[in-house]
Amino acid sequence: DTGVSQDPRHKITKRGQNVTFRCDPISEHNRLYWYRQTLGQGPEFLTYFQNEAQLEKSRLLSDRFSAERPKGSFSTLEIQRTEQGDSAMYLCASSLGLRDEQYFGPGTRLTVT
Amino acid sequence: QQQVKQSPQSLIVQKGGIPIINCAYENTAFDYFPWYQQFPGKGPALLIAIRPDVSEKKEGRFTISFNKSAKQFSLHIMDSQPGDSATYFCAASMLSGTYKYIFGTGTRLKVLA
Repeated sequence: DTGVSQDPRHKITKRGQNVTFRCDPISEHNRLYWYRQTLGQGPEFLTYFQNEAQLEKSRLLSDRFSAERPKGSFSTLEIQRTEQGDSAMYLCASSLGLRDEQYFGPGTRLTVT
Repeated sequence: QQQVKQSPQSLIVQKGGIPIINCAYENTAFDYFPWYQQFPGKGPALLIAIRPDVSEKKEGRFTISFNKSAKQFSLHIMDSQPGDSATYFCAASMLSGTYKYIFGTGTRLKVLA
């Protein structure tokens, strides 16, 4: 257990529905990342927060995706109008400002039917 | 230029053997190289990381060898055990900017008892 928690661990939804995932980083970490991992692949960067500011978004993050980190604490990732191609493991990671190690949570497995 | 190429895709060794996983990169701006271990259904766990100012780093049974001129780095697992059976990912990041990781495609390791 790295201290990064994610909820829910599994989500099954029907195509077209909206879903929201939550990530609670290690408490003193001010950097928070979201990645997406599909089967047999490495994680791919989606977006990055430093405190409450979203400083980078990947081209993978279409306009159906939105992420927030209110007050620089937990973060949410919302996917609107889900598509089957959104099925993946969504991983959250956090790190301290002056260090490089990113600690990953257990992930949320999304299945879109 | 943002890719990290990882090989082999899969690897089978006998208990006590020394599996070696290789990664290569193109972007010379990368200056931090972590390795992660991932078990099925779990998030990636940090194993060991290296910066390009050293050619080798050891932590327990895990060793990273780094060749800056060749833009290659590798993970060696000494005295491998069946419990080491997992998927291993190399990654790279730049210490400036968002510190996002670019991951390799992963190596599935199986250690036979």
